Amino acid sequence: NAGVTQTPKFRVLKTGQSMTLLCAQDMNHEYMYWYRQDPGMGLRLIHYSVGEGTTAKGEVPDGYNVSRLKKQNFLLGLESAAPSQTSVYFCASSPAGGLHRAGELFFGEGSRLTVL
Amino acid sequence: KQEVTQIPAALSVPEGENLVLNCSFTDSAIYNLQWFRQDPGKGLTSLLLIQSSQREQTSGRLNASLDKSSGRSTLYIAASQPGDSATYLCAAPGYSSASKIIFGSGTRLSIRP
Repeated sequence: NAGVTQTPKFRVLKTGQSMTLLCAQDMNHEYMYWYRQDPGMGLRLIHYSVGEGTTAKGEVPDGYNVSRLKKQNFLLGLESAAPSQTSVYFCASSPAGGLHRAGELFFGEGSRLTVL
Repeated sequence: KQEVTQIPAALSVPEGENLVLNCSFTDSAIYNLQWFRQDPGKGLTSLLLIQSSQREQTSGRLNASLDKSSGRSTLYIAASQPGDSATYLCAAPGYSSASKIIFGSGTRLSIRP
């Protein structure tokens, strides 16, 4: 099984450029997440989705947009990249364990983004 | 707002020692708590998931406990090995939504041969 796959794995952007990170999961999970990880700051939640067609803001949503048009895919977009968005981005998915219960998180390998 | 804290930020111990990593959270009304391992430059691997109805979970040399009333979880590693060197993170759902999972900043563990 592929699990959670992120593309691209590496990307260099110039300030003001736009891009989209794709996360795909083949486990039929309801919940999907985008996190960013910066040195010394752990993982911070950007946006998440509890099902197809739904999205919600996390801890640091500004400057990012997301879409969940298909259950298996969760896209993270940067409309106008800034150097502060240089980071490693992780996607994760989770089965819904019950009524509004989040189950075990499964992570992708990460996407390293540099904004010059 | 859920806040998750891990102390210490870094820990170095000689091989063979038993050790405890700490995780504290501000909202005790959590559904579960997870521990992860992250190797440098890699993604996160789930180690243990403790549901709110459980007090502990064990996997091999790892044991995680959960005390909701005190807002604390501990990860116990027995007979540490150099291969255990990694960053360990805990994560818990947020207050307003059980699906909004918040991470601590991690403990960077180094096991000296």
